[in-house]
Amino acid sequence: SQQGEEDPQALSIQEGENATMNCSYKTSINNLQWYRQNSGRGLVHLILIRSNEREKHSGRLRVTLDTSKKSSSLLITASRAADTASYFCATDASAGGTSYGKLTFGQGTILTVHP
Amino acid sequence: DARVTQTPRHKVTEMGQEVTMRCQPILGHNTVFWYRQTMMQGLELLAYFRNRAPLDDSGMPKDRFSAEMPDATLATLKIQPSEPRDSAVYFCASGPDSALATNEKLFFGSGTQLSVL
Repeated sequence: SQQGEEDPQALSIQEGENATMNCSYKTSINNLQWYRQNSGRGLVHLILIRSNEREKHSGRLRVTLDTSKKSSSLLITASRAADTASYFCATDASAGGTSYGKLTFGQGTILTVHP
Repeated sequence: DARVTQTPRHKVTEMGQEVTMRCQPILGHNTVFWYRQTMMQGLELLAYFRNRAPLDDSGMPKDRFSAEMPDATLATLKIQPSEPRDSAVYFCASGPDSALATNEKLFFGSGTQLSVL
């Protein structure tokens, strides 16, 4: 079953604009991760935020986590055509704090950045 | 540049045939995951291993699917007999899961695109 639901399903923007994707989940988590998938390729890890963190930055990426609302958002600033891809949130809900990396993925947001 | 290697990249087969997909995890990674991706269901976890032992294969149809790790450098996913509904992209991922580097980042292969006619 899918833990995360993402919103919007598809997002189309112009180069230079910011892109915001949202993810909601259902159970308590150890951490939440965002992955990127280019067409026909595997997933690539972008950023991780732990359950005791509220915000994290990495380059043009900003992730927030609200555990009370069971939601997260990924912001890509100053988007580029090369950012065109599908973006997935994934939750790690391993019991007892032991993280073997078993992830449950959302359905993803398809981002298209027009030059 | 360490990466997870999956073979074959593409497989077309007829219903009823056996399909074997292979994965070479990153050297030193001791956890291996098999995911299936379809448009309808998204990414589903089929099975995962730690130190070659299966930890959870509850996501896998047991009657036709089997997953093994014959050694630390090879994971296999078999479907016998295959059915059209098995058509999907199958991904393998690995993680280090050691005291030095816990599994907070998985590394995915490029996938095997399976079409069962």
